Amino acid sequence: AQSVTQPDIHITVSEGASLELRCNYSYGATPYLFWYVQSPGQGLQLLLKYFSGDTLVQGIKGFEAEFKRSQSSFNLRKPSVHWSDAAEYFCAVGDYGGSQGNLIFGKGTKLSVKP
Amino acid sequence: DTGVSQDPRHKITKRGQNVTFRCDPISEHNRLYWYRQTLGQGPEFLTYFQNEAQLEKSRLLSDRFSAERPKGSFSTLEIQRTEQGDSAMYLCASRRAAGELFFGEGSRLTVL
Repeated sequence: AQSVTQPDIHITVSEGASLELRCNYSYGATPYLFWYVQSPGQGLQLLLKYFSGDTLVQGIKGFEAEFKRSQSSFNLRKPSVHWSDAAEYFCAVGDYGGSQGNLIFGKGTKLSVKP
Repeated sequence: DTGVSQDPRHKITKRGQNVTFRCDPISEHNRLYWYRQTLGQGPEFLTYFQNEAQLEKSRLLSDRFSAERPKGSFSTLEIQRTEQGDSAMYLCASRRAAGELFFGEGSRLTVL
C-alpha cells in the first residue's frame, strides 16, 4: 500500500540550531516527493520537490531535502532554524506522471522553535 | 496569480444540515483537487477534476458528498445530511498539467 510516514509528531529546536525532519515512503512506482509547510489557519505551501536527477534538492526559505532510494527516505533539513519556521511540515508522495497527480500525505511534524 | 480562493473560511452547522463550499482555482489551472484534513492528520485526497470532468473519487467521498466543476472554472463541494465526523478542514488545490499544486487556505467545517 502507498503510504508516507513521518515518525516525529512534534519537534522542538532552538533558534539557530540545525533541523532534520524525517520522512519515509512506500510507493509502487517511481515516486515524486514533496515537502509542504502549513502555518496555523493557513493552506499548504510547497517548500521543495523531487522528480528526478540530483538527489539533493534545494527549496525555498533555506530548506533542502535528500532523496535516498535505498532507504525510501526524503528527509528535510535546514542548517539554521529561524523563529518564523515554527509551523507544521508535511511530506507527500505522488505520481505526477500519471493522469491524476493526487498526493498522499504523511501525518505531519509540528516544529516549535525556542528563542 | 491571485491564488486559490475558498469560501466560506469557516462554517458552523447543525448535524443533518447541508453545506456547500466553493473553490476558485488559479485562472489558468485546469486541474482541481479537493482534500480533507482532520486534526492531527495530513490532507487526504477526496476528488479530482480535469477541466469540468471529475476523473477520480476517493472512497472517502461517501454518497453524501458531491463535487462539481460545471464550467471548468470554480468548483463546489456539497455535503448533505452532515454528521459530526464530517468536521474537518476542506482544502482545495489547483495546478497546470505539469505544475505544482497550489493550495487554498481551506474551509473549516464544524458540525454540532
